[in-house]
Formats: sequence, structure tokens, C-alpha cells
Amino acid sequence: AQTVTQSQPEMSVQEAETVTLSCTYDTSENNYYLFWYKQPPSRQMILVIRQEAYKQQNATENRFSVNFQKAAKSFSLKISDSQLGDTAMYFCAFMTYNNNDMRFGAGTRLTVKP
Amino acid sequence: GAGVSQSPRYKVTKRGQDVALRCDPISGHVSLYWYRQALGQGPEFLTYFNYEAQQDKSGLPNDRFSAERPEGSISTLTIQRTEQRDSAMYRCASSKRQGMNTEAFFGQGTRLTVV
Repeated sequence: AQTVTQSQPEMSVQEAETVTLSCTYDTSENNYYLFWYKQPPSRQMILVIRQEAYKQQNATENRFSVNFQKAAKSFSLKISDSQLGDTAMYFCAFMTYNNNDMRFGAGTRLTVKP
Repeated sequence: GAGVSQSPRYKVTKRGQDVALRCDPISGHVSLYWYRQALGQGPEFLTYFNYEAQQDKSGLPNDRFSAERPEGSISTLTIQRTEQRDSAMYRCASSKRQGMNTEAFFGQGTRLTVV
């Protein structure tokens, strides 16, 4: 099975600054999806951004962008112009293309400080 | 329904009792996932289905845990002879088959407390 590793249990950033959350994964698959989910204190799971492995271009969604390095099996999330509402747990996730097997990392707790 | 629905939202049970947790996925979603999530931790994979077929149950902690999805829609996660260590948030998610907009949608979870 695929494994997802988030090596930063906690991160903090000043409001309006930029922060990068790290994620690495292990797979023998060639086609797959990668995701970042946000979980605020309400414990909802909210999709932040998605990347298809066959796309070389890095995905972006407003202030959120990824650095996808397929050969290195790395998928980091960059949050620009951090806002207080970005304070949450962030989970990296991997889904296989062929059979939708989905696994999550342990998460990074991000705190945005005013 | 509009989203993934889990019931009950909260369940308190006595040690040794059996519990059944229900998940109603988004209509038409092929894949259904069960995760367990401790506070401050990531979703721990338990099992998942494509249609009615259980694809991987390697995450189920022991043989007291089982899951089914007999008609490829609603799923039930059953825990027999509950123990205090089973107390956790149990999350269900569903997704459609692979495609451009594939993602997993999560239910609100069932918080299980074994006393």
C-alpha cells in the first residue's frame, strides 16, 4: 500500500507571510492523484488543492500552490499571504488512479499568528 | 443526498457491546472509505470499497472490526465486543471513479465513546 509522510507535526507563520508544508509519499504507481486537505477546529475535511500525477504543471488555487516533484515523490503546499483563517490541520493524501485507494499523512498543525 | 451522511453522530456504549456505524455516501459515488481519526492525528485507513467489493481491509485493527457494503451504496462498520481503546472518531468518505475532479468527500463522522 501507498504511504504518505508529513515530517512537520507543527508549523507557525506570521499573518501575510508565506509558509510551505512538506509531504513525501511512496508508491510504485505511475498514475495517481495527490491532495491537500484542511481540517479546521470544526473537524470538517475541506479539499484545498488537487494534483494529477500525469500533469507536469503545478496546481494553484488562489493563495495555495503546490510544488510537485514526481521523481522525488514530493508534494509540498505553499500558502501565500497567510490569513488567520488558515489556522488548521493540513493533511496530504494520495489516491491511486486505478482503484481509488486513498491514504493520508499524519498531518501538520499550522498556526497563523497575528 | 447532498453529502456523505454518517449516523449516529455520537455513540456512547458500554464495554463489551457491539456497535454498528452507518455511512450513506453521495449518490453515485463508487468508492467508499472508512477511517479512524484520533484528535490531532491524520485519518487512519481502515478499509474501503469499490461498489460492493471490499478492496482492502488491511487497516482493520483486529477481527472485532468488520465492514460491509452489500448493495454498493450504504455501508456499515461493525465493532464487536467494544473495548475502551476503540473510542475515536470514525470517518467515512466517498468518491466517484477516477476522473478530472476526483476527490474524497467526508462525512461529519461518528464519535464513539466506550465506557
